[in-house]
Amino acid sequence: DIVMTQSPDSLAVSLGERATINCKSSQSVLYSSNNKNDLAWYQQKPGQPPKLLIYWASTRESGVPDRFSGSGSGTDFTLTISSLQAEDVAVYYCQQYYNTPRTFGQGTKLEIK
Amino acid sequence: EVQLVESGGGLVQPGGSLRLSCAASGFTFSNHWMNWVRQAPGKGLEWVANIKQDGSEKYYVDSVKGRFTISRDNAKNSLFLQMISLRAEDTAVYYCARTYYDDGSAYRPFDYWGQGTLVTVSS
Repeated sequence: DIVMTQSPDSLAVSLGERATINCKSSQSVLYSSNNKNDLAWYQQKPGQPPKLLIYWASTRESGVPDRFSGSGSGTDFTLTISSLQAEDVAVYYCQQYYNTPRTFGQGTKLEIK
Repeated sequence: EVQLVESGGGLVQPGGSLRLSCAASGFTFSNHWMNWVRQAPGKGLEWVANIKQDGSEKYYVDSVKGRFTISRDNAKNSLFLQMISLRAEDTAVYYCARTYYDDGSAYRPFDYWGQGTLVTVSS
């Protein structure tokens, strides 16, 4: 199984400041046939299901604000929120869909400082 | 509007059984791989199982193999999870999640999720 490890486990950032969450996979999730990384980011607010933010490591889902961006390739990935808003308080998960079982990171809890 | 509505959760004793359902609407259900993902109270997300568009392929996480069975009824736009021999560690909110469709591949993210149904295994 591919193990997904996020860092940090929790993060407190001031409103308007940048938030950065890292995700590392135990093996590459770069699919050679299409040169795309099978890596997604989800946002989960309290009492709600997860919401897809980013897929292919850097493609923003429709309707997701452009302050959210994803980067990285192979085994190391980053989710960046360029200017934190109050509504961004949530737990963020990375997920690989490269193989089965699909696996998620342990989550990063993002709070306002 | 895409909607996924889970039902069937509840309190069950260890060793018991439960059948979860997910009613899909607002999209062509038969085009999509479908998934069950669970979340234990206060914990992270764990993928449980998925099923191909026509039901011909099914995959499971090791911890539920032999105990859980995923199935679907495309005529009724419904996804199911039959759970037997339930254990305390199966206690979780169970989400139905749709696999993103572009070419029908299973290897895509989950673009829509239901609100979940809570399964509690306790005596």
